[in-house]
Amino acid sequence: AQKITQTQPGMFVQEKEAVTLDCTYDTSDPSYGLFWYKQPSSGEMIFLIYQGSYDQQNATEGRYSLNFQKARKSANLVISASQLGDSAMYFCAMREGPWNSGGSNYKLTFGKGTLLTVNP
Amino acid sequence: DAGVIQSPRHEVTEMGQEVTLRCKPISGHNSLFWYRQTMMRGLELLIYFNNNVPIDDSGMPEDRFSAKMPNASFSTLKIQPSEPRDSAVYFCASSFRASAYEQYFGPGTRLTVT
Repeated sequence: AQKITQTQPGMFVQEKEAVTLDCTYDTSDPSYGLFWYKQPSSGEMIFLIYQGSYDQQNATEGRYSLNFQKARKSANLVISASQLGDSAMYFCAMREGPWNSGGSNYKLTFGKGTLLTVNP
Repeated sequence: DAGVIQSPRHEVTEMGQEVTLRCKPISGHNSLFWYRQTMMRGLELLIYFNNNVPIDDSGMPEDRFSAKMPNASFSTLKIQPSEPRDSAVYFCASSFRASAYEQYFGPGTRLTVT
């Protein structure tokens, strides 16, 4: 089974509207971390937001928020007030197991991505 | 501070040639990651280092691939001999204390093997 599933290959949204990008994950580890990255057409990977499995509140970073539903194993990214510059590929990723300072457990597994297009 | 630096940005080579990709992590970061991105397989972790020591190289596709980190400010990923199926974008990323919250990615090297 895939560890990270992003079911939307492509999404369209009108400028200034909100959009939700879906991500579901599969792990049996009680401790894990969930990440969202943005990859614009220029190719670089840009970190957006992080949610730890024990975090009580949904993570927020500016216009980005993560709708974390632990029982459903979903970690959807919500972008509010979309801008043209938000057009990009968006990747959900997971780190399984607790982070530890020994550095022995920090492999990220990425989903296939969702291509978001913001229309003017 | 400069971000992760990768060179070259683009590499075109013929099958059978040796290819060396280079990475300079962000100063002070002690973890370094090499990823490969293709349309078919998405983004895959090849290997990562912590304090210059390779921790997990299970993602390295085969013996033709090797990676080194001789010091905290430099790493190489070498493919010898290269094959057309190695064509991909190779990313280097670094983080402080291994994955804390985020990994900082370099701009990537687009490798084309003909």
